[in-house]
Amino acid sequence: QKEVEQNSGPLSVPEGAIASLNCTYSDRGSQSFFWYRQYSGKSPELIMSIYSNGDKEDGRFTAQLNKASQYVSLLIRDSQPSDSATYLCAVEGSGGSNYKLTFGKGTLLTVNP
Amino acid sequence: ETGVTQTPRHLVMGMTNKKSLKCEQHLGHNAMYWYKQSAKKPLELMFVYNFKEQTENNSVPSRFSPECPNSSHLFLHLHTLQPEDSALYLCASSRQRTGALYEQYFGPGTRLTVT
Repeated sequence: QKEVEQNSGPLSVPEGAIASLNCTYSDRGSQSFFWYRQYSGKSPELIMSIYSNGDKEDGRFTAQLNKASQYVSLLIRDSQPSDSATYLCAVEGSGGSNYKLTFGKGTLLTVNP
Repeated sequence: ETGVTQTPRHLVMGMTNKKSLKCEQHLGHNAMYWYKQSAKKPLELMFVYNFKEQTENNSVPSRFSPECPNSSHLFLHLHTLQPEDSALYLCASSRQRTGALYEQYFGPGTRLTVT
């Protein structure tokens, strides 16, 4: 059973701070990793994808991947109240399951004004 | 219409009813997915269609029956559901290629309540 683990939170940060969201995964063969944001009552929205070790930056968001440690993280700089949402980590399966995503339970982030 | 659309957005049905959920993608993708999202549980993959062919049935009960007439449309037929089937049902689509997964984009979901 492939697993994706996230800190359940909730994670609370003040406005303007850096929010750090973490995710570990069990499938060593996984090659593709995604972060989704889900507002309450809404569907998941893709915010970042990362495929190679290292950092990938997109505006205030930075995804970090370490395949050796089976760890992927999302940093949100200059956090805004509008960033308050549940963040889902998703990991592609390997081998015959490479069209499937396994999702973590999500981390609830609250940014306080 | 853009992106991935789903209808209806809300559905209340009795355990003896038959209903269908509809999904349409306007992104030119060739893979479509059904997910179930229940409270306090991770997103669960139900079905995958790749180029209209079902490539995954994730041990879903037969009271859920998918249909994919073409690469743009996906249906989920529901019959004799149980109250525990109440959840948010999400459709997603992606391009598909060998060796890596393209990003999946989700529709707004159908909030299903079984009474």
